[in-house]
Amino acid sequence: GAGVSQSPSNKVTEKGKDVELRCDPISGHTALYWYRQSLGQGLEFLIYFQGNSAPDKSGLPSDRFSAERTGGSVSTLTIQRTQQEDSAVYLCASSATGRSGNTIYFGEGSWLTVV
Amino acid sequence: SQKIEQNSEALNIQEGKTATLTCNYTNYSPAYLQWYRQDPGRGPVFLLLIRENEKEKRKERLKVTFDTTLKQSLFHITASQPADSATYLCALAVNTGKLIFGQGTTLQVKP
Repeated sequence: GAGVSQSPSNKVTEKGKDVELRCDPISGHTALYWYRQSLGQGLEFLIYFQGNSAPDKSGLPSDRFSAERTGGSVSTLTIQRTQQEDSAVYLCASSATGRSGNTIYFGEGSWLTVV
Repeated sequence: SQKIEQNSEALNIQEGKTATLTCNYTNYSPAYLQWYRQDPGRGPVFLLLIRENEKEKRKERLKVTFDTTLKQSLFHITASQPADSATYLCALAVNTGKLIFGQGTTLQVKP
């Protein structure tokens, strides 16, 4: 597609429920990233996929968070048993190769509110 | 510990002046550094990249410097306009492909 697409754009869920957030990267991009941004804060790295390599999961805050990338394209970030502190904007980004100097293109984010 | 610090206080300047934003880091050896612009409710948009062996990079009214000795990058917007008002984020490449972001500095340009 023309840009990175994320869905849903907004999600309100009850505490304890599971949520899935989807990311469609730019066609042909091999690198995909997930970041989290709380209100008024910077971007917190969550996970990074590069081609067929094992993903860098070092930023996932707890085992309630997981992500997968199917067929080297679409990615799903899953949050199990959501908590109120999970409320944030979840941003997905992709780049052509993930190598040094590649521009990263962000989607508009999925706004998650846990009530 | 590793840190990336941007001035958390908003920067308010008058239209036409030069805005200078600072990004400091500790305990990183980045291969390159990037600057992004973020508008409210939107995803960040890439502006400029500067590599560790480059001192300065320019693009139109934007200029970025990178001092690996001071562990600092400066981001300048010359002849600033109200449309430049946004939050500006710096990001370090800590290994191949992975970017770590600062918390951003909000710039407000007044007419």
